[in-house]
Amino acid sequence: QVQLVESGGGVVQPGRSLRLSCAASGFTFSAYGMHWVRQAPGKGLEWVAIIWYDGSKTFYGDSVEGRFTISRDNSKNTLSLQMNSLRAEDTALYYCAREGSDPIKYSDYWGQGTLVTVSS
Amino acid sequence: IVLTQSPATLSLSPGERATLSCRASHSVSIYLAWYQQRPGQAPRLLIYDASNRATGIPARFSGSGSGTDFILTISSLEPEDFAVYYCQQRSNWPLTFGGGTKVEIK
Repeated sequence: QVQLVESGGGVVQPGRSLRLSCAASGFTFSAYGMHWVRQAPGKGLEWVAIIWYDGSKTFYGDSVEGRFTISRDNSKNTLSLQMNSLRAEDTALYYCAREGSDPIKYSDYWGQGTLVTVSS
Repeated sequence: IVLTQSPATLSLSPGERATLSCRASHSVSIYLAWYQQRPGQAPRLLIYDASNRATGIPARFSGSGSGTDFILTISSLEPEDFAVYYCQQRSNWPLTFGGGTKVEIK
């Protein structure tokens, strides 16, 4: 069965960096695009980034463009999110999600999330 | 593209029909999905491309619409349907979600 397990969250000071990981199993990781989506405490969902199945393309949400970098290692079935210049408003639960295959080009499987708290 | 969901909260009883709205600031054609999020859980894909049920989703969930106006209908609410529902568009980058509609027990 499809499993996505996020890790790397924690408490970090404003302006510092953090790297999140997502370990994928139960499917051919190298065949699927992958997303990061976040959710601030008590708030709605915010899309963060996507990476193509082969890493050839990436897109970002406006609020993280230029600060966050999504990447993947298909040999290790791992998705990553490098977060730099963190701000208080980046505090959220960060989910990794798989993009389904055609025609279901939406997030069809989600992990349980890893919590990032940006605070001094 | 901004997605506006209404109402913010819907208070209904089990067995009643729920009608949730999602309006886009620009046309997204049919490229809209609906997700359900129960407390303490990750979101779950319900509907993709406006009207197609995802795998394993009960027939009481249906979606309609195109362009800028979309509807998610739950024909008869079951206890497990009381949750928050989000729409999401994939027509333009960046992808965006609506603010959510909470369906609560009346």
